[in-house]
Amino acid sequence: SAVISQKPSRDICQRGTSLTIQCQVDSQVTMMFWYRQQPGQSLTLIATANQGSEATYESGFVIDKFPISRPNLTFSTLTVSNMSPEDSSIYLCSVNRDFTGEQYFGPGTRLTVT
Amino acid sequence: KQEVTQIPAALSVPEGENLVLNCSFTDSAIYNLQWFRQDPGKGLTSLLLIQSSQREQTSGRLNASLDKSSGRSTLYIAASQPGDSATYLCAGYSGGYQKVTFGTGTKLQVIP
Repeated sequence: SAVISQKPSRDICQRGTSLTIQCQVDSQVTMMFWYRQQPGQSLTLIATANQGSEATYESGFVIDKFPISRPNLTFSTLTVSNMSPEDSSIYLCSVNRDFTGEQYFGPGTRLTVT
Repeated sequence: KQEVTQIPAALSVPEGENLVLNCSFTDSAIYNLQWFRQDPGKGLTSLLLIQSSQREQTSGRLNASLDKSSGRSTLYIAASQPGDSATYLCAGYSGGYQKVTFGTGTKLQVIP
């Protein structure tokens, strides 16, 4: 398995500001994934982050709104920019085991935008 | 496009009962299927992964099966306990490991 930590665990932010979420994994992984879970909803993939290359964004998500960094094989950040109340969600990072593809998730960051 | 549906959306059972959670998917070219549990406000905990060549996996009181031809997976929980109360999500992998589609979840409540 993989042990994943996220910072912060939760935050309350004002409209128009930005928040950067950190994700740390206890072992080197090729790909890291960022998901959003809106209240009462299932998970939606925002983007896939590979070390040394630009992140790949899913339909409906853009780099200007959700810039991602992946400086090494154990760390990634997701920034939620120019926040609005609609961005209030749980943001989760995940990794998969390269051999089986099994996914592991961090504890999530609960974001509330007022 | 893969779509994953879970029925029922919510389930309440008395402690000790055996139960089955259902997961349906539209694309039979599914690669892996994984079951998770999520406690309120928390991240996801992996329960079972059924790989492409497998039909079922077991861990303790949990058993998950996968039938690609019918587009279904089931999670069987034996002798349910209050600590099993959580939302259970299934996730289907298509086109390799990266394309993961999550189901809508089943919220389970086990009543003491």
